[in-house]
Amino acid sequence: EIVLTQSPATLSLSPGERGTLSCRASQSVSSYLAWYQQKPGQAPRLLIYDASNRATGIPARFSGSGSGTDFTLTISSLEPEDFAVYYCQQRSNWPRTFGQGAKLEIK
Amino acid sequence: EVQLVESGGGLVQPGGSLRLSCAVTGFTFSSFSMNWVRQAPGKGLECVSYISSGSTTIYYADSVKGRFTISRDNAKNSLYLQMNSLRDEDTAVYYCARDRAGWPDLWGQGTLVTVSS
Repeated sequence: EIVLTQSPATLSLSPGERGTLSCRASQSVSSYLAWYQQKPGQAPRLLIYDASNRATGIPARFSGSGSGTDFTLTISSLEPEDFAVYYCQQRSNWPRTFGQGAKLEIK
Repeated sequence: EVQLVESGGGLVQPGGSLRLSCAVTGFTFSSFSMNWVRQAPGKGLECVSYISSGSTTIYYADSVKGRFTISRDNAKNSLYLQMNSLRDEDTAVYYCARDRAGWPDLWGQGTLVTVSS
């Protein structure tokens, strides 16, 4: 099973700042990595798939990069609605696994 | 409007059974693979099961293999998860999610399963 490790566990930033979250895989997943956003009481929402492609309706301030074992989600200028928990997920093989989550909180 | 609506959750004793359903509207259900993903209270996400559009490919997490059965009825635009021999650790919100190009891209609101005596 591929283990995904997200860092940092919590990131405290202010609106307007740039946010960067990392995800490291225990073995190569090529570009088969996605990022999700989850707010309290809501289902996850797909943000980025195949490492760098924005899902439908996702604002351009969200971007993803990386391949192999190291990946990054960047939010160029944080909006108030961006403060949430973020998960990475791989689909290189079954079982598809998620990272443990990273909380982006308002400073 | 695209909708995935889960139902069938509730309180069940350890060793009991539940059948979850996911009713889909707004897209051609028979063209898409589907997933069940769960989230224990205050915890992260776990892929429980996957089924291809024609039910020819099915996967289960090791944690549920032999106890859970995924199925679908394309004529009824519905996805199911039969859960037997339930354990305390199966307590979670269960989401159904459409699979698009390998990624769960649309999710239902979830149904809560509580396993407790």
